[in-house]
Amino acid sequence: QKEVEQNSGPLSVPEGAIASLNCTYSDRGSQSFFWYRQYSGKSPELIMSIYSNGDKEDGRFTAQLNKASQYVSLLIRDSQPSDSATYLCAVNDAGNQFYFGTGTSLTVIP
Amino acid sequence: GAVVSQHPSWVICKSGTSVKIECRSLDFQATTMFWYRQFPKQSLMLMATSNEGSKATYEQGVEKDKFLINHASLTLSTLTVTSAHPEDSSFYICSARIPGTYGYTFGSGTRLTVV
Repeated sequence: QKEVEQNSGPLSVPEGAIASLNCTYSDRGSQSFFWYRQYSGKSPELIMSIYSNGDKEDGRFTAQLNKASQYVSLLIRDSQPSDSATYLCAVNDAGNQFYFGTGTSLTVIP
Repeated sequence: GAVVSQHPSWVICKSGTSVKIECRSLDFQATTMFWYRQFPKQSLMLMATSNEGSKATYEQGVEKDKFLINHASLTLSTLTVTSAHPEDSSFYICSARIPGTYGYTFGSGTRLTVV
């Protein structure tokens, strides 16, 4: 089982809709969770971090963490074409090892 | 803050030659630098972890004699691809932990094309 799993997509949503990206992780002792956005040909950029159960909101982005279910998600409200990218989930496990998921490709259709 | 500067952003080299990629932490000291490789439409794959003043730790399947890593100072880590071949063509990215957090910041990446 991979440390971090994501649906590779592609996920397509119309402009203005909510995009929902999901991620599961295998190490129950993981403490830190991150969402990175990667545009084609560019390196990843950190957009959200979350450390405790519940929701964390930053502008149009909301990260949701459920440690009991070992599940972390990212919601993008009012999706824009500029949000089209690959979104990488990343986890710091109990051994302080950092793992990336394979990424979910998102396309926002104007 | 926590910026990692990576150079060059792209390079084309002939098969059999060596290429050096540099990553500098501009406003913080990076005792550890992570080197990733990414092939088209694939995820980041950790190649090695470099620690200032000591030998790098390579992931399984990564040839340490081919991918030479040097981390001689707290602000500079280099990756040298020796005797490059077309199959080494890839996107190479360095990363360091953001001080005071559990998050990581990335260099801008180097697109290597071996012809």
